[in-house]
Amino acid sequence: DIQMTQSPSSLSASVGDRVTITCRASQSINNYLNWYQQKAGKAPKVLIYAASSLESGVPSRFSGSGSGTDFSLTINSLQPEDFAIYYCQQTYTIPYTFGQGTTLEIK
Amino acid sequence: QVQLQESGPGLVKPSETLSLICTVSGDSITDYSWNWIRQPPAKGLEWIGYISDSGSTNYNPSFKSRVTISADTSKNQFSLKLSSVTAADTAIYYCARRRGGGWQDVFDIWGQGTMVTVSS
Repeated sequence: DIQMTQSPSSLSASVGDRVTITCRASQSINNYLNWYQQKAGKAPKVLIYAASSLESGVPSRFSGSGSGTDFSLTINSLQPEDFAIYYCQQTYTIPYTFGQGTTLEIK
Repeated sequence: QVQLQESGPGLVKPSETLSLICTVSGDSITDYSWNWIRQPPAKGLEWIGYISDSGSTNYNPSFKSRVTISADTSKNQFSLKLSSVTAADTAIYYCARRRGGGWQDVFDIWGQGTMVTVSS
């Protein structure tokens, strides 16, 4: 299985900050990498697919980059509704696997 | 718009079979691939498997031979069966649509999830 490792596991930030979450794959996954946001008691919601494509309806302050094994999700100008858990996911090979999650908390 | 709704027992006894249904509205299950994902309490996401638009299936090997995903096109539903459950199978179970294909594969629409507890 391809292991997906996110860092950091948690971070604290303030409204208006710019934050970056990274995701590393245990082997190359080209750009088969998605990012999801999960709020408490809710299902995950896709933010970014194919490493850098913004999902329809998602605010442009979210962006993704990377290819191969190293990827990042950047959120510019944090808004109160952005405090949540973020997961990366690879769809390069079966079994699809997710990172362990990064909890973004209000400072 | 497309909506997914999981249903099934919230409590299953150890060694029995967990059975869930995902009802799809606003779309045909013959047009996409449909997935099951689970999330143990306060933990991360684990992909279980999918059934494709053609009816073929693919499972996470970690579930070995315990899992079966099937579809009922007449009801626009697909289902999950997980046999020989233990407490480790206690989780929120989600169904989700997989859109795209190849490098654009993404789980774009999810059900709200259903909590299943394995306990005697």
